[in-house]
Amino acid sequence: NAGVTQTPKFRVLKTGQSMTLLCAQDMNHEYMYWYRQDPGMGLRLIHYSVGEGTTAKGEVPDGYNVSRLKKQNFLLGLESAAPSQTSVYFCASSYPAGGYSNQPQHFGDGTRLSIL
Amino acid sequence: TQLLEQSPQFLSIQEGENLTVYCNSSSVFSSLQWYRQEPGEGPVLLVTVVTGGEVKKLKRLTFQFGDARKDSSLHITAAQPGDTGLYLCAPRLNYQLIWGAGTKLIIKP
Repeated sequence: NAGVTQTPKFRVLKTGQSMTLLCAQDMNHEYMYWYRQDPGMGLRLIHYSVGEGTTAKGEVPDGYNVSRLKKQNFLLGLESAAPSQTSVYFCASSYPAGGYSNQPQHFGDGTRLSIL
Repeated sequence: TQLLEQSPQFLSIQEGENLTVYCNSSSVFSSLQWYRQEPGEGPVLLVTVVTGGEVKKLKRLTFQFGDARKDSSLHITAAQPGDTGLYLCAPRLNYQLIWGAGTKLIIKP
């Protein structure tokens, strides 16, 4: 009963370092999303994917890259970490959400990332 | 210009009290979802409302979508400590979910 699994759960980086956050889902969902959550600002969409091999920019994509090589995995990369990227990162997945579909998004438990 | 506003931002009440939290916007939405997020976890869907004026009940929680589909409310009757969490509204606009900053609710025993 895994659902959406994020690794790692915690990480501390120095400014300029790079890292990759991994998201895996076992629900055969087509859509996957990466969000960041900061105090008082709600969830902001970084990138999303509507299927294997496709990605698209969200609201705050700068400084991040993503890849969806396999349907079940969605990777978020920080090329050169900056203190402004200190946040809690959430991955989510859903069935297709186009049109009037109201499919729920299923979330992982987050990765807490600190950039010093 | 803030697209979505949730109020209050923070609410701390005693067990057994009633409360209402709000999600307001000037935009018209095709539907709206409410999620609850507990510390250290991701949000979990509570309900989806679609029709203007729609009311849905989930045990002691009552959700209402505004007649004009611009706002929504969540009413909790006889709040319990297990209701503690961050309540997020997420209306759908142009096929994407828009997330509010949430109402942090604490129910004291």
